[in-house]
Amino acid sequence: SSELTQPPSVSVSPGQTARITCSGDALTKQYAHWYQQKPGQAPVLVIYEDSERPPGIPERFSGSSAGTTVTLAISGVQAEDEADYYCQSTDSSGTYPWVFGGGTKLTVL
Amino acid sequence: EVQLMESGGDMVQPGGSLRLSCAGSGFTFSSSWMTWVRQAPGKGLEWVANIDQHGTEKYYVDSVKGRFTISRDNAQSSLFLQMNSLRAEDTAVYYCARDIRGYYDSIGFSDYFDYWGQGTLVTVSS
Repeated sequence: SSELTQPPSVSVSPGQTARITCSGDALTKQYAHWYQQKPGQAPVLVIYEDSERPPGIPERFSGSSAGTTVTLAISGVQAEDEADYYCQSTDSSGTYPWVFGGGTKLTVL
Repeated sequence: EVQLMESGGDMVQPGGSLRLSCAGSGFTFSSSWMTWVRQAPGKGLEWVANIDQHGTEKYYVDSVKGRFTISRDNAQSSLFLQMNSLRAEDTAVYYCARDIRGYYDSIGFSDYFDYWGQGTLVTVSS
């Protein structure tokens, strides 16, 4: 199976840009997707196919990819963005290809 | 509006069984792959199983193979997860999600999960 590695935590002040990384060998040949999860709530898709934003997701959420690392960027961070963020990818060559990163807790200071 | 609603979670003893259901509405259920994802208390997300539109392709994470069975009833727009021989480590909130699969010449296929239910709690404890 594939492995996706995220930092456990990221902290940022309101109005700054938060960057959350996700690393894994599969990311050189696969798309990554990002989910936001607030306490007690179901995950919400915020970025798919590395950089696409679903309807209703604010423009301050963006995604990028470079080699084995993908990055979720949140510009002009707001208090409401405080949440856990998970990357996810598909490795079609794996035994069971669907894998999540361990998650990153974003704290807005 | 796409909606997914899970039910069937409960407390069960080790070795017991449960059947989770997920009712879909607001989209063409019979055209969609569907997925189960779980989250143990205080832990991250773990993909559990998924199923194609027709119910013929099914995949499972190794830890549940032979114990869990995913199925669907397209006429009722419903997804199921039959869980047998439950263990303490199966304790989690179980989410169903719509699975969007794309096929690409360069990378094969790629899935993401665009709508999720609110989850149902399964507790395995004596």
